[in-house]
Amino acid sequence: SQQGEEDPQALSIQEGENATMNCSYKTSINNLQWYRQNSGRGLVHLILIRSNEREKHSGRLRVTLDTSKKSSSLLITASRAADTASYFCATDFSNYGGSQGNLIFGKGTKLSVKP
Amino acid sequence: AAGVIQSPRHLIKEKRETATLKCYPIPRHDTVYWYQQGPGQDPQFLISFYEKMQSDKGSIPDRFSAQQFSDYHSELNMSSLELGDSALYFCASSRRAGEQYFGPGTRLTVT
Repeated sequence: SQQGEEDPQALSIQEGENATMNCSYKTSINNLQWYRQNSGRGLVHLILIRSNEREKHSGRLRVTLDTSKKSSSLLITASRAADTASYFCATDFSNYGGSQGNLIFGKGTKLSVKP
Repeated sequence: AAGVIQSPRHLIKEKRETATLKCYPIPRHDTVYWYQQGPGQDPQFLISFYEKMQSDKGSIPDRFSAQQFSDYHSELNMSSLELGDSALYFCASSRRAGEQYFGPGTRLTVT
């Protein structure tokens, strides 16, 4: 990826366990977003965290952002088989005065949740 | 709620042919983005338009061109297709300061 890496590349867990995915990036950003993609399907926006935020929650999702380390993590709690998908982080570092420009995606983490 | 519409959903072309992909943004969204996702790859930004003007350009080959029309829909034109152009092509739309919403994608297969 032009911007950074995600790890792990693949993660296999049992239903009910928590899943943590990490994303690192290289440049200063306006915001960082997480997307979900089922195999060969569209990208579903999960959550956006701005550069001045450190943590954000949405349902079973918790995202953290550490701008000093240029890294973010996505935690999915109490995972379900339906959470099986690829998860991508995407960074926006455009200079549009806070508005959104093009996204640079990470390589993605392929999550498999076994029932 | 209305979503981003892309057409066609699937397209099969032969090498050296041309293809046109269409994107209809969410109503009142003024910005359109195009991304290409190869097999097993992350999406790569191609080009974007704001208020019908090109606003940013990524890794778009010279064989590709795009535009945004007065009704805000956008078309990606691809000429002299190569096998390596086989990919999922996503369009996303947003308001200038808003989140990007992605369409379902067009799967292009070049044989």
